[in-house]
Amino acid sequence: GALVYQYPRRTICKSGTSMRMECQAVGFQATSVAWYRQSPQKTFELIALSTVNSAIKYEQNFTQEKFPISHPNLSFSSMTVLNAYLEDRGLYLCGARQGQNSDYTFGSGTRLLVI
Amino acid sequence: GDSVTQTEGPVTVSESESLIINCTYSATSIAYPNLFWYVRYPGEGLQLLLKVITAGQKGSSRGFEATYNKETTSFHLQKASVQESDSAVYYCALGDPASSGSWQLIFGSGTQLTVMP
Repeated sequence: GALVYQYPRRTICKSGTSMRMECQAVGFQATSVAWYRQSPQKTFELIALSTVNSAIKYEQNFTQEKFPISHPNLSFSSMTVLNAYLEDRGLYLCGARQGQNSDYTFGSGTRLLVI
Repeated sequence: GDSVTQTEGPVTVSESESLIINCTYSATSIAYPNLFWYVRYPGEGLQLLLKVITAGQKGSSRGFEATYNKETTSFHLQKASVQESDSAVYYCALGDPASSGSWQLIFGSGTQLTVMP
């Protein structure tokens, strides 16, 4: 079946430093990858959508300068949180799918704590 | 704008009791929204529980069911008899199948369900 492995599961970083999270798709080709963030007491917000052979589309309030994303092939994507501060803490989730008619398969999330 | 509102948690029920988690949506920019229920068990990622893409239809999975009601813009999740293993966070979501390239899921705030033995 389709699986998405996301790592690390949780991480702590010092304020002002950066951290990178990765997602690996297994059993299907990840033509699209969506990155979400769930801040404390909030729901999941879309950060950006990455589709192979297309530009990565960032949502309002999120930028490439702050959340650079790499989607180099059909099985892997990574996102970095640059210069993390308290407001960046939360659960980051990646979802991947193959084609436009399939549902997303989500990873287990990366919980980021900023101290 | 487009949004999803669902029952505020946490919700606690006893095993074998019935459950309903309310979900209403607003899809002002989406002509034919697809509706989803996702579940997140402790320590795991989001899993698709069920989805319905046509108004008036009902989706079901693992004893849960939800009907896409366009008149009331609702997609309530129901189960006749819950089990302890149903304890999780449930998210209602809507998606736009017509968005170019890929789609965006708009999530509700999530409802934490605890089923007591």
